[in-house]
Amino acid sequence: DQQVKQNSPSLSVQEGRISILNCDYTNSMFDYFLWYKKYPAEGPTFLISISSIKDKNEDGRFTVFLNKSAKHLSLHIVPSQPGDSAVYFCAASAAGGTSYGKLTFGQGTILTVHP
Amino acid sequence: KAGVTQTPRYLIKTRGQQVTLSCSPISGHRSVSWYQQTPGQGLQFLFEYFSETQRNKGNFPGRFSGRQFSNSRSEMNVSTLELGDSALYLCASSSSLRGRADTEAFFGQGTRLTVV
Repeated sequence: DQQVKQNSPSLSVQEGRISILNCDYTNSMFDYFLWYKKYPAEGPTFLISISSIKDKNEDGRFTVFLNKSAKHLSLHIVPSQPGDSAVYFCAASAAGGTSYGKLTFGQGTILTVHP
Repeated sequence: KAGVTQTPRYLIKTRGQQVTLSCSPISGHRSVSWYQQTPGQGLQFLFEYFSETQRNKGNFPGRFSGRQFSNSRSEMNVSTLELGDSALYLCASSSSLRGRADTEAFFGQGTRLTVV
């Protein structure tokens, strides 16, 4: 039962253009969402997050949009740079005792930004 | 401020052996979570410790266990290793008193375990 899904295994964009990474979730208890960037053989690095009380959060070139009714979120990177090439993971968190310290991750999307 | 440190970085073990991995969290962080990353299953939550107590556990067999010491350092142990245990094991530390895994979770570089 995959509660967080990233349906696009890979995405290729040109430098300077927009990258849009998508994520869907099924568990309505999730109320906090995060995006992580990961290079091979390294741990994930936090990028940006959003609480379910908001529908948009922006940090520099990164913007995350949340559509609660559709249980969908997306990460926009504008403009994309070659250094953004990595695997991007969407993750979700819930409140409550059974969720202590637990992030539920999607399968990841490999982003390649071509010069 | 030093980041999350995991040791060793790489490990090769034989089926049936047991292994212990170590994680030193960021100074002041009392919560440590462990994750397993494999190509087929992605990043899966193993367990979380806070102030030496396991507060949450993922859906893994009892061969996977952990503990946390009074200085917040954590170890995870896998007994009777199987080929399928080959993975990248990641730990994340957090200062969150509420137990939320949110922006306060910082990951280490991981331990790459290969079982042969």
